[in-house]
Amino acid sequence: NAGVTQTPKFQVLKTGQSMTLQCAQDMNHNSMYWYRQDPGMGLRLIYYSASEGTTDKGEVPNGYNVSRLNKREFSLRLESAAPSQTSVYFCASSVDSATNEKLFFGSGTQLSVL
Amino acid sequence: RKEVEQDPGPFNVPEGATVAFNCTYSNSASQSFFWYRQDCRKEPKLLMSVYSSGNEDGRFTAQLNRASQYISLLIRDSKLSDSATYLCVVPNAGNNRKLIWGLGTSLAVNP
Repeated sequence: NAGVTQTPKFQVLKTGQSMTLQCAQDMNHNSMYWYRQDPGMGLRLIYYSASEGTTDKGEVPNGYNVSRLNKREFSLRLESAAPSQTSVYFCASSVDSATNEKLFFGSGTQLSVL
Repeated sequence: RKEVEQDPGPFNVPEGATVAFNCTYSNSASQSFFWYRQDCRKEPKLLMSVYSSGNEDGRFTAQLNRASQYISLLIRDSKLSDSATYLCVVPNAGNNRKLIWGLGTSLAVNP
């Protein structure tokens, strides 16, 4: 049972480059999330998708776009990477964001922007 | 008061010890609370949910004090494998779908 799978695990970009982080879950969850985690900042929500076909901004959406491709997949795109986006990114899913059910996380992506 | 505040530690305890962490929150309307565990360079994993006065699961007990707006996590008979960072999580006051994460309390259990 894979749970939440996100790729890649590591990525190094130059300032201005673009990339897409992929995330897929096989638990038939309705809600999916993208978080970033920085030292001294805790986990911060970038975007979330309460259900297929909907996306909403979190705390720190600037510089990012998301696509809920279908119920399983939720991708995060950096159109023009900046050093401030150097972080660890986690994708997560839950049965329903409205009830704050347990979040299941992917193993994370370590992104460095030079 | 910060939305969610935790003592960062580190807490260094010997195996077998009992250790407790507190987490204070500012949203008095919160109904649900969570403790997640995060190992170094790994993803967070849910340890316990707290919906009323408290919850117990084996060696772990979470308690809620609504009057003082804090939740606590008690770990009895600490194991080496309990070494991790413990994250306190509370729903956002303005949007219950969003969660506010504490910075975490670091625990090191020593042999």
